[in-house]
Amino acid sequence: AQRVTQPEKLLSVFKGAPVELKCNYSYSGSPELFWYVQYSRQRLQLLLRHISRESIKGFTADLNKGETSFHLKKPFAQEEDSAMYYCALSGGNAGNMLTFGGGTRLMVKP
Amino acid sequence: DAGVTQSPTHLIKTRGQQVTLRCSPKSGHDTVSWYQQALGQGPQFIFQYYEEEERQRGNFPDRFSGHQFPNYSSELNVNALLLGDSALYLCASSWTGVRTGELFFGEGSRLTVL
Repeated sequence: AQRVTQPEKLLSVFKGAPVELKCNYSYSGSPELFWYVQYSRQRLQLLLRHISRESIKGFTADLNKGETSFHLKKPFAQEEDSAMYYCALSGGNAGNMLTFGGGTRLMVKP
Repeated sequence: DAGVTQSPTHLIKTRGQQVTLRCSPKSGHDTVSWYQQALGQGPQFIFQYYEEEERQRGNFPDRFSGHQFPNYSSELNVNALLLGDSALYLCASSWTGVRTGELFFGEGSRLTVL
């Protein structure tokens, strides 16, 4: 069975502070990991995927297979980063079926 | 392109009733997935439709059923509603030719069961 855990329901930081949103997963094979984001009054959308090794809006995430983690990081938080963040996992043969974590609300204070 | 559209946006039902939710995928997409999002939780996969057939199914009872039409739009039906079925139901579309994990979500249909 595949499972995604986001241990923090809420993360509050000041503008300019570093941010790390934690994500741990369990999966027996080689997973594909994603971060989805939902800004206020907007729909859920893809932020980044591990396979692309990309930086989006200053966010990066590294897949650590040894620790089964995929933490989302940003060195300097901005107020516009305030949103709900969901970590998600796709098994290799599962098409685009995603297993989501419970989400972390990021609040960036001025 | 309006993206993924869902209807209705809100609805209220009573226990035991049946409900049908509708979804039109993003233009060019052929696969539709349905997710249930309870308050304070992440989306949970219900099932996925491709070529008018259910391709995958999550851990949901048979009361949850669906359909996909030739134009790729989809319906989610829930029979014998329970209080616990109250949730936001999200539709997501994708193109099966690109297995990137990127789903395009609708704004959801919020179901309240009284």
